[in-house]
Amino acid sequence: SQTIHQWPATLVQPVGSPLSLECTVEGTSNPNLYWYRQAAGRGLQLLFYSVGIGQISSEVPQNLSASRPQDRQFILSSKKLLLSDSGFYLCAWSFGIGGHEQFFGPGTRLTVL
Amino acid sequence: GESVGLHLPTLSVQEGDNSIINCAYSNSASDYFIWYKQESGKGPQFIIDIRSNMDKRQGQRVTVLLNKTVKHLSLQIAATQPGDSAVYFCAENYGGSQGNLIFGKGTKLSVKP
Repeated sequence: SQTIHQWPATLVQPVGSPLSLECTVEGTSNPNLYWYRQAAGRGLQLLFYSVGIGQISSEVPQNLSASRPQDRQFILSSKKLLLSDSGFYLCAWSFGIGGHEQFFGPGTRLTVL
Repeated sequence: GESVGLHLPTLSVQEGDNSIINCAYSNSASDYFIWYKQESGKGPQFIIDIRSNMDKRQGQRVTVLLNKTVKHLSLQIAATQPGDSAVYFCAENYGGSQGNLIFGKGTKLSVKP
């Protein structure tokens, strides 16, 4: 069976510090990978998606970047965090393109102070 | 802005009653719809999905109805239980090559014992 991991579960960082959140998927190959951000009491905003190693598409301009160094590894990064980067970050994967459900990880709660 | 929205941001029901959560979508080209359940502090979990060539799909205690004429989606939960308390999101996919989902803001369902 497939599993998705995210770490850390919670993170408190000062403004201006760097960020690295990691997501890994087990039990499948060539997944589509996604990073979402969820503000408190709000819906999910797609930040990045990837259909393969080294292939990253950004949905919204922002202070964040994403990388996919391996097939089942997806990393969300920032060089300098802003207060507005606080939120709940969710990684997800799907089997393929178009019409497939996405499976979500447990999320990372990021607080920027 | 988001093309998927919810009519009711909060819903309170009595245990044992049926719950109906509604969702409106604006993109007539959307061909796949999905409902997720998100408990506090956790990632969304798949509940049920439906493709645009169907009007109704049933799962265990849940039914999704799709009305393409008025671009409306609903989730029905039979015999609602306290464990059903969560935020429910609908999402649509309009058939883009990357298979991205657009999420609504969510409806919080509270079940009273």
